[in-house]
Amino acid sequence: AQSVTQLGSHVSVSEGALVLLRCNYSSSVPPYLFWYVQYPNQGLQLLLKYTSAATLVKGINGFEAEFKKSETSFHLTKPSAHMSDAAEYFCAVTRGGSNYKLTFGKGTLLTVNP
Amino acid sequence: EPEVTQTPSHQVTQMGQEVILRCVPISNHLYFYWYRQILGQKVEFLVSFYNNEISEKSEIFDDQFSVERPDGSNFTLKIRSTKLEDSAMYFCAISDRSTEAFFGQGTRLTVV
Repeated sequence: AQSVTQLGSHVSVSEGALVLLRCNYSSSVPPYLFWYVQYPNQGLQLLLKYTSAATLVKGINGFEAEFKKSETSFHLTKPSAHMSDAAEYFCAVTRGGSNYKLTFGKGTLLTVNP
Repeated sequence: EPEVTQTPSHQVTQMGQEVILRCVPISNHLYFYWYRQILGQKVEFLVSFYNNEISEKSEIFDDQFSVERPDGSNFTLKIRSTKLEDSAMYFCAISDRSTEAFFGQGTRLTVV
């Protein structure tokens, strides 16, 4: 079984500040990990993914995440927050292979203050 | 251009009525999924569909739910007799042999 824990249901940062959204996973097999973003009243958009290649993954909009097996973590970061980054962020895990059932975390709402 | 389009974007239905949510992939994909997100909660897996049959389903996906690809293109989720607790955002997702799943914009189902 797989699971994802996102620490902090709500993170608030100032514009220009570092964004750090935490994600820890549990998986009995090597995981594939994803971060999705959901803007208000919209669907899920893939930010970035880890699929057993480079442990530091760069995504869209300046976001990146680092896979740390020893810590079972896949935290999402962005050096400088922008107002347009305000959204809900979901970490997800799958076992990979040909059936990509995703298990999502509960999400972290990011607010960016001017 | 989105990989997948969902219709309708919002549907209101009376409790006990049947609803059909539709998902139209833009290009050929092998794997289809339905997820739902109850307001304020996390996104939950419902069912995956491959080669015209269900490959996996969650405990949420009980007998009142069904999926099919009636014309080899549209992928539908049917809820036979809706309940109040079925109110949620329903997302269709598609993928191929790569690891990335593309999500549709979702259908907001409101059961009254």
